[in-house]
Amino acid sequence: DTGVSQNPRHKITKRGQNVTFRCDPISEHNRLYWYRQTLGQGPEFLTYFQNEAQLEKSRLLSDRFSAERPKGSFSTLEIQRTEQGDSAMYLCASSSNRLRDGGSGANVLTFGAGSRLTVL
Amino acid sequence: AQSVTQLGSHVSVSEGALVLLRCNYSSSVPPYLFWYVQYPNQGLQLLLKYTTGATLVKGINGFEAEFKKSETSFHLTKPSAHMSDAAEYFCAVSGYTDKLIFGTGTRLQVFP
Repeated sequence: DTGVSQNPRHKITKRGQNVTFRCDPISEHNRLYWYRQTLGQGPEFLTYFQNEAQLEKSRLLSDRFSAERPKGSFSTLEIQRTEQGDSAMYLCASSSNRLRDGGSGANVLTFGAGSRLTVL
Repeated sequence: AQSVTQLGSHVSVSEGALVLLRCNYSSSVPPYLFWYVQYPNQGLQLLLKYTTGATLVKGINGFEAEFKKSETSFHLTKPSAHMSDAAEYFCAVSGYTDKLIFGTGTRLQVFP
């Protein structure tokens, strides 16, 4: 178990450019989440996948944002035509609904270290 | 709908003093409650969670939290603060899905 891996860790781009972030979840986890965190705020939910199916998208996810998980393993989050307001830390997390922790129904999300985006 | 309110964006304590970080939640379904810690330039790390059963939950690094349904609270405590506890702490709630709703966080400073 190598944890949740995110790349790149830092990305600086000019307004209007496209950027893509990658997330590699824990291998046995079938659920994958994307969150956005801005300075001084808690993480805000963007979207999540169960296997390759995208099951929920937040209203925060404008049409410039697209997320994929083509084979139910790694995921990418692409932001097109970046704006300065997109500057944030993008966090990925994974969990499994096949594992039961002490018989409870709540599954723990394991987070990656995040990808920090700065739009100039 | 679910939400979390963390009272106090900044808390300062002396080393060895009691740590109390406040969290109140709102949930239309039985909640699962979590505390995560975030150190600078790192991801979120789970401190503890409440799912069912015992309302006093013990976590890592000497932290514990008590679920009080009547007060809709899940406050985080530690009897004696250590310098290494300085970080940002987030309370979160989930319900029928694993999706977490986070509070805005509390930055804990520990003075020698």
